[in-house]
Amino acid sequence: DAGITQSPRHKVTETGTPVTLRCHQTENHRYMYWYRQDPGHGLRLIHYSYGVKDTDKGEVSDGYSVSRSKTEDFLLTLESATSSQTSVYFCAISVDSGRHNEQFFGPGTRLTVL
Amino acid sequence: EDQVTQSPEALRLQEGESSSLNCSYTVSGLRGLFWYRQDPGKGPEFLFTLYSAGEEKEKERLKATLTKKESFLHITAPKPEDSATYLCAVQANDYKLSFGAGTTVTVRA
Repeated sequence: DAGITQSPRHKVTETGTPVTLRCHQTENHRYMYWYRQDPGHGLRLIHYSYGVKDTDKGEVSDGYSVSRSKTEDFLLTLESATSSQTSVYFCAISVDSGRHNEQFFGPGTRLTVL
Repeated sequence: EDQVTQSPEALRLQEGESSSLNCSYTVSGLRGLFWYRQDPGKGPEFLFTLYSAGEEKEKERLKATLTKKESFLHITAPKPEDSATYLCAVQANDYKLSFGAGTTVTVRA
């Protein structure tokens, strides 16, 4: 258990509304990630963070923004949700073991945009 | 661009029937190859890291191997509790992972 929690766990919202998902970790890991998982696509990286206020885009970042004001929290915001953003969202942290970095995942947030 | 392809998409096994899952990859500068297990409604659970050709890792009935172009996850004498989706991911020379779409394994008693 990497001490990762996500909130909310389930959310239903309407097109055009803003949505913020929260990822919280308890072990002060430097790297945090947001992925989305859709059938047939596997996990795709949205954004990641390598420290407080240090973030960068992943492969599917359009329509999403992130913020990290504290080491333990990484927020994912959909400024104006669309139906194509219906997905399961996973947060992950990276444990740096020197040569490579295992990532450990949270339990996920299932988001439905109507 | 890093690419990861897993096959087959789905695998149905009888309890005790051993089999293998394939993960083929193209990446510039492999830093590590990772296997995860994912149960329905849950986040991926880390299983193994492999980082050089010829390396092998084992955990209970699972054994992962790595070559320069692919990795195999061997399931020996599977049990129903081994039913899950198995994900493969590669890490290149940065801190990001590229995932395959997964293989869903169903083991019948």
